[in-house]
Amino acid sequence: AQTVTQSQPEMSVQEAETVTLSCTYDTSESDYYLFWYKQPPSRQMILVIRQEAYKQQNATENRFSVNFQKAAKSFSLKISDSQLGDAAMYFCAQLTGANNLFFGTGTRLTVIP
Amino acid sequence: DVKVTQSSRYLVKRTGEKVFLECVQDMDHENMFWYRQDPGLGLRLIYFSYDVKMKEKGDIPEGYSVSREKKERFSLILESASTNQTSMYLCASSSSRQETQYFGPGTRLLVL
Repeated sequence: AQTVTQSQPEMSVQEAETVTLSCTYDTSESDYYLFWYKQPPSRQMILVIRQEAYKQQNATENRFSVNFQKAAKSFSLKISDSQLGDAAMYFCAQLTGANNLFFGTGTRLTVIP
Repeated sequence: DVKVTQSSRYLVKRTGEKVFLECVQDMDHENMFWYRQDPGLGLRLIYFSYDVKMKEKGDIPEGYSVSREKKERFSLILESASTNQTSMYLCASSSSRQETQYFGPGTRLLVL
């Protein structure tokens, strides 16, 4: 069975600081995809970043980057220069060939002005 | 930009009522999905469809059915709503299984 674990239900960060959200997953497949989605309060879920397992290079999107440790099955999200608009629920998700997109339970990020 | 819309942001229904949740996407995506989101449980897949008139059960299909008569529209049906179906329902679409899913704004359903 798939598992995606987000061990931090809540996190907070000072504006302009850096925060890392953790995610671990489990799969026996060699080909899979990992995602971080963001859900702002009362707003639409949007993709933050995507990583293909076959790529060794960590994905980066502006202030958002991942630390993909394939052997450890770890996929953490780093947010640099945090902004008030980064406050949201963040979901880690895994997609394998045999299964559909499977989500973790989410981390609520608060940004302190 | 991909746009996924859902017919209602908020719904209040009575136990036993038949409930229809509609989802429309405008990007000609093959795949469409229905999830429910509950605090502490993340998102769980109810049903998905990879083509018109095709449907597949997800992880929690009990108490739900779906309909996909047109490519752009995917409906979730609660035949007889129950209080344990009070939840946030999210629709998503993607061009293929490996591609990014795009989400609608969600429907918050309260069953009394």
